[in-house]
Amino acid sequence: AQTVTQSQPEMSVQEAETVTLSCTYDTSESDYYLFWYKQPPSRQMILVIRQEAYKQQNATENRFSVNFQKAAKSFSLKISDSQLGDAAMYFCAYRSPLPAYKYIFGTGTRLKVLA
Amino acid sequence: DAGVIQSPRHEVTEMGQEVTLRCKPISGHNSLFWYRQTMMRGLELLIYFNNNVPIDDSGMPEDRFSAKMPNASFSTLKIQPSEPRDSAVYFCASSRDSGSYGYTFGSGTRLTVV
Repeated sequence: AQTVTQSQPEMSVQEAETVTLSCTYDTSESDYYLFWYKQPPSRQMILVIRQEAYKQQNATENRFSVNFQKAAKSFSLKISDSQLGDAAMYFCAYRSPLPAYKYIFGTGTRLKVLA
Repeated sequence: DAGVIQSPRHEVTEMGQEVTLRCKPISGHNSLFWYRQTMMRGLELLIYFNNNVPIDDSGMPEDRFSAKMPNASFSTLKIQPSEPRDSAVYFCASSRDSGSYGYTFGSGTRLTVV
């Protein structure tokens, strides 16, 4: 069965610094999707970044980038130039290929940004 | 686009009462998902619709829970009778292509059953 593990319950970063959140997953599939979602105190989940497993190039969205290591089954999120608004829970998620639909979330990492 | 719209935002009800949560997905999205979030269990997928048809309801806790999607622009999640252990935040999300592009979530309904 597929699993998603976020081993860091909480992380802190100074404003303007860089922080990396870790995520590992387990799957026997070769073609799948990985995501990072942000959940601020307002509680709405927001998609931050998406990675297709068949693409070797790491996804980037402005200050957010991923380090996707397929062989190691690792999918970390790097936040550069951290801002106070980045403070939130961050969830890693895995989506299996169809037709067996599995969309699994990790337990989350709480990110604190220190002024 | 107004995004995924959920109502109500908060719901407090007494044990044994019927509760109905509502969701309007983004126009053009063909997949709709209901999730439940608790501290103990994290985010759990309850049910997944594709083109208004329930595809996977294996996450629905028990017969007290039911979900419908009568058309492409509306879905409900009903709990009857409600119990205190149903207290959680319930999210609706929609997507194109069964979630391969990621979900757009609603703002959630915080349900408290007393």
